[in-house]
Amino acid sequence: AQSVTQLDSQVPVFEEAPVELRCNYSSSVSVYLFWYVQYPNQGLQLLLKYLSGSTLVESINGFEAEFNKSQTSFHLRKPSVHISDTAEYFCAVSGWTGGFKTIFGAGTRLFVKA
Amino acid sequence: DAGVIQSPRHEVTEMGQEVTLRCKPISGHDYLFWYRQTMMRGLELLIYFNNNVPIDDSGMPEDRFSAKMPNASFSTLKIQPSEPRDSAVYFCASSLRFGEGTTGEQYFGPGTRLTVT
Repeated sequence: AQSVTQLDSQVPVFEEAPVELRCNYSSSVSVYLFWYVQYPNQGLQLLLKYLSGSTLVESINGFEAEFNKSQTSFHLRKPSVHISDTAEYFCAVSGWTGGFKTIFGAGTRLFVKA
Repeated sequence: DAGVIQSPRHEVTEMGQEVTLRCKPISGHDYLFWYRQTMMRGLELLIYFNNNVPIDDSGMPEDRFSAKMPNASFSTLKIQPSEPRDSAVYFCASSLRFGEGTTGEQYFGPGTRLTVT
């Protein structure tokens, strides 16, 4: 079985401050890990993904996430946030468990204040 | 590609009426998913299809909900009869097959906001 836990439901932060959104997962099989972002009144869109290889992955808009196998974590970070980063962020895990399965976390709402 | 297309974008209906939500996945994608999102319950997977065949419908809340995928380019989610507690945003998503160099990342449509009064 697979599960995803996002430890914070809401994260308020001031503009230009660093932020970390936490994600822990559990799985009995090898997994792929994802972060999706949902802007207001839109669908989810892929932000970044970990497949294999380097444990640090980056997105085009300055976010990065590090896969930590020993801690079963995939935390999302950005060194300096912008107002436009205000959105909900979902961590997800995919694995083959006799069938295709992707599990989404409950989401973390990032609110960037001026 | 136009991405995943959903219609209508907004639907307001009265309790007891039938509601049909529509989805056109990205061409070539093998998997299609239906999700429901509410403030209280977050994002819930209702059902997913592989090559037009329903694989897992364990998330469908009750018999009032049904989903079909008559061909690779079209799917419907029907609620009959609708109830106020069905009010939510319904998302359709599609993806390539898992494996063979792909990782199953999902592409979401813009959603249908359903309000049942």
